[in-house]
Amino acid sequence: DGGITQSPKYLFRKEGQNVTLSCEQNLNHDAMYWYRQDPGQGLRLIYYSQIVNDFQKGDIAEGYSVSREKKESFPLTVTSAQKNPTAFYLCASTITLGQAQPQHFGDGTRLSIL
Amino acid sequence: GIQVEQSPPDLILQEGANSTLRCNFSDSVNNLQWFHQNPWGQLINLFYIPSGTKQNGRLSATTVATERYSLLYISSSQTTDSGVYFCAVGPTGFQKLVFGTGTRLLVSP
Repeated sequence: DGGITQSPKYLFRKEGQNVTLSCEQNLNHDAMYWYRQDPGQGLRLIYYSQIVNDFQKGDIAEGYSVSREKKESFPLTVTSAQKNPTAFYLCASTITLGQAQPQHFGDGTRLSIL
Repeated sequence: GIQVEQSPPDLILQEGANSTLRCNFSDSVNNLQWFHQNPWGQLINLFYIPSGTKQNGRLSATTVATERYSLLYISSSQTTDSGVYFCAVGPTGFQKLVFGTGTRLLVSP
């Protein structure tokens, strides 16, 4: 079954620690995205990548970093510079760049501060 | 940037009732999606509907792109319809989605 897999489902971070959230897709999609959702809010775009080895900042990129070394994978690192990291993080992908196509989402990772 | 407004913010229905959710957006779009977020946080794709009308069972959606709004209709609501419904739009020329703040629906038995 094709889809987007995010891991872990729950993650706890200590103060001053970097943590990495995994996102893998086997849909052969070109573009991948990371969104953040705070309680009672909609999703906001952190970073996106349209092709391997290329990515762009979204609306709230400060305190986050990404890499896109493989088409299937788009990990997100929440750095210690992100002062309010507690949130629900969702990864998405879409089939092709340059054309409007629906985005498909993983099941998310909940990050909390210890 | 583009603004996305959803109404109503909260909705309480009795099982079996019908409802209409609205999404207004402030600029031209080439992508519009409706999602249902269940209590576990999963975002379920309901419709990809940048224009026109689509139906899927008890749900249907209409987007009038020239007037910058979309409507989601839920008929004969069930308790499993409870959750948050999001409208998300893709501004023309961009691949990203901009989300509204959602409509929280509670369907009681």
